[in-house]
Parts: sequence; C-alpha cells; structure tokens
Amino acid sequence: AQTVTQSQPEMSVQEAETVTLSCTYDTSESDYYLFWYKQPPSRQMILVIRQEAYKQQNATENRFSVNFQKAAKSFSLKISDSQLGDAAMYFCAPTGAGSYQLTFGKGTKLSVIP
Amino acid sequence: NAGVTQTPKFQVLKTGQSMTLQCAQDMNHNSMYWYRQDPGMGLRLIYYSASEGTTDKGEVPNGYNVSRLNKREFSLRLESAAPSQTSVYFCASSEEPASTDTQYFGPGTRLTVL
Repeated sequence: AQTVTQSQPEMSVQEAETVTLSCTYDTSESDYYLFWYKQPPSRQMILVIRQEAYKQQNATENRFSVNFQKAAKSFSLKISDSQLGDAAMYFCAPTGAGSYQLTFGKGTKLSVIP
Repeated sequence: NAGVTQTPKFQVLKTGQSMTLQCAQDMNHNSMYWYRQDPGMGLRLIYYSASEGTTDKGEVPNGYNVSRLNKREFSLRLESAAPSQTSVYFCASSEEPASTDTQYFGPGTRLTVL
C-alpha cells in the first residue's frame, strides 16, 4: 500500500522561470514506480514523467525532470522554462511493480504568470 | 485514432436511478480502468480489468459494477445511484500494468446525483 503527500495545494511561477513541485510518499513495496500526471483545464490526465525506483538516475523528459530521493521517499518535479501551457493540476502517483493500482496524491495546482 | 472515449460527458440522475457509463479504446490495450475524482482529491481507482475477461476491485468499488465487454470496451454501472456518487469519472487504458506503462485517459464524465 502507498500513501502520498503533496504539501503545496497551489503554486505559481513566472513564464520562462523554473518551479519545483514536491511529493513525499510511503510504501511497503521494495520495487515500485513513481509517476507525475498533469491535468489541464480540459480535465484529461496526461503522463508527464515516470521514475523506476531501482534506477539511480533521475528521469528527464524535455523541460521536466525529477529529483528522486529514495531514502527520504521524496519525488519532486522540476519544470524548467515554464510555459503558459504548463498551467494545470499535477498529481504524484506511486505504485508497486506489477501493480494495476496507482495511488494519486491530492494534487498541486500550478498557475503560470505571463 | 480517437484514443479513449467516454459517453456521456454529463449526466444528472435522481437518487435510486441506474445508469451505465461507457468507455472504449482503440489502441488495442490489454488493461482498462475506472477512476473517480472528487473535489480536492486525486483519482481513486474503482475497478480495473487487467485483460479481456477479467475484472478486479480497486480502492472504492462499493456501489459499482463493471463489465469488460470485449478488448475495446469497459463499462461502469451504478445500480442505485446515491448522492455520494456525485463525481467526475475517468476511464483509462494501458498496454501493460499501470506500474510499468503509460495510462491513457478519457475526457471524463461529470455525474451529479440529486
């Protein structure tokens, strides 16, 4: 079982600046995966980035990267060169390896200021 | 390529009425999922289907039934709707288990139970 805490209900960032969204989790799994999903105003959930817990290297996907601290059970998302289209709710979600069940956090609402 | 489609987009029911939410995917994915999203919350898994012919309970299955009609379609039924089932419902699909693969989400159905 997993629990997820996203401690920042809302954040804002200036366009072109960098912002970091935090996520901490607890899990009893020895092998697991972590996800960040984005939900824009259209409501449709979209995968942003995925991290495999057994990998030391932090995942990167274009302007999105994670800071994965396994011992601290922390999985933060960094968005560089923020764009207006990045404005959305962002959800952190861990899951055990082979599991069909993601546990979503309550989300962080990100606003991008022009 | 429509991805994941859901019908209807909006629905208002009276307490005790029944209805079925429809979901279809055209990506030939093995796994399909039903989530609900309540205000201020992340998505919670209701039921999932790992493959055609199988279904399993998620975190919040009470008051719902599902049918995996074929590989493409996965329906969610509310037999006797209650106000507590007012929510936004999302269907999703993935080729592999959610832990190791991207889930693709539909646009959601906003359901209100009076």
